[in-house]
Amino acid sequence: QQQVKQSPQSLIVQKGGISIINCAYENTAFDYFPWYQQFPGKGPALLIAIRPDVSEKKEGRFTISFNKSAKQFSLHIMDSQPGDSATYFCAASGYKLSFGAGTTVTVRA
Amino acid sequence: EAQVTQNPRYLITVTGKKLTVTCSQNMNHEYMSWYRQDPGLGLRQIYYSMNVEVTDKGDVPEGYKVSRKEKRNFPLILESPSPNQTSLYFCASSSGSPVGNYGYTFGSGTRLTVV
Repeated sequence: QQQVKQSPQSLIVQKGGISIINCAYENTAFDYFPWYQQFPGKGPALLIAIRPDVSEKKEGRFTISFNKSAKQFSLHIMDSQPGDSATYFCAASGYKLSFGAGTTVTVRA
Repeated sequence: EAQVTQNPRYLITVTGKKLTVTCSQNMNHEYMSWYRQDPGLGLRQIYYSMNVEVTDKGDVPEGYKVSRKEKRNFPLILESPSPNQTSLYFCASSSGSPVGNYGYTFGSGTRLTVV
């Protein structure tokens, strides 16, 4: 069974809008939460990551929000651009890395 | 350029015909792993290797074999492929473990179709 639940499966956003992807986990042993970005025909690439002692981490237009008590974390893409169109995977790491099912983001110009 | 190289990129084969997907990394990484990606299921780990001659099962190992005779190479072997192994396969490597703390470098993928 999926150890990390990710939603939505896909989303469409207008250029300049905000994309929000949510993930939830059950295993409290997870101690590292990365996000990977995958463009068509390519392998996933590490985008941004957070540890559970931090509630938010921002890198450019990408922000991770982390709610330890709710065991949820989310990725916000601010000012979404067509070049952000990709599939995004959340993941959680304890002794191994478990991935969510992925969210396909389409940014319309 | 630091990279993980998989071959072939695309492969169509018939049920039961043994095949090997090669994976090589040039970063001197100790940790390597194979994943399969299926719609709605995300990335699921098939096998991983902590170092040369050390391999272990991931979440979906049935029907697959691996070997790690050299640090840079980690081939995936399908002894008798079946249609349910039609998928997109990724090899990945990491400089340490737990891999989540170091980040994976992924190859570009191998699209396998078994008919």
